[in-house]
Amino acid sequence: AQSVTQLDSHVSVSEGTPVLLRCNYSSSYSPSLFWYVQHPNKGLQLLLKYTSAATLVKGINGFEAEFKKSETSFHLTKPSAHMSDAAEYFCVVSVRGSQGNLIFGKGTKLSVKP
Amino acid sequence: DAGITQSPRHKVTETGTPVTLRCHQTENHRYMYWYRQDPGHGLRLIHYSYGVKDTDKGEVSDGYSVSRSKTEDFLLTLESATSSQTSVYFCAISDGTRAGTDTQYFGPGTRLTVL
Repeated sequence: AQSVTQLDSHVSVSEGTPVLLRCNYSSSYSPSLFWYVQHPNKGLQLLLKYTSAATLVKGINGFEAEFKKSETSFHLTKPSAHMSDAAEYFCVVSVRGSQGNLIFGKGTKLSVKP
Repeated sequence: DAGITQSPRHKVTETGTPVTLRCHQTENHRYMYWYRQDPGHGLRLIHYSYGVKDTDKGEVSDGYSVSRSKTEDFLLTLESATSSQTSVYFCAISDGTRAGTDTQYFGPGTRLTVL
């Protein structure tokens, strides 16, 4: 069975410093993995996705994530945080053979200090 | 933004009353999904549809039913609302051409409070 674990429920960084949001997954098959962002009182927006092509995936707003099969990880990074990055981030795995059903992590809330 | 609307956006109701939430899409996508979001749980799948009149249960389907009579509309019904169904409900769509790798696009959400 597939599952996803976000290792930090809350991350706080200063503006201009790097962001690291950690995600580990469990899957019997080669998974499809996604990162979504949710700003307060908004819907979810896709940041990036991995679907077995390049292991380093670039997304919107300067975010990227690296798929590491040996570590079963898909951590999200950004070199320099901006105040507008403050939001909740969800790591998501697609359930293989399930008509595309998604399993969400519990989310990491990112705070950005001026 | 994907053409997805949800109605109503906010609703307050009383325990035991029926409630129907509507999701409408203008993308002609095959798949539609209903999720609920609760603090500390992320999003959890309630039901999904893979075509008109074709639906299936998700992880947390108890107490919910769905219907899809047209490609563009997916209704979620709480037959008799309970306080445990107080949540934010999100609809999502995907085109279904690459099962397991499709991107799902989310609507703006409906905040439901059951008193």
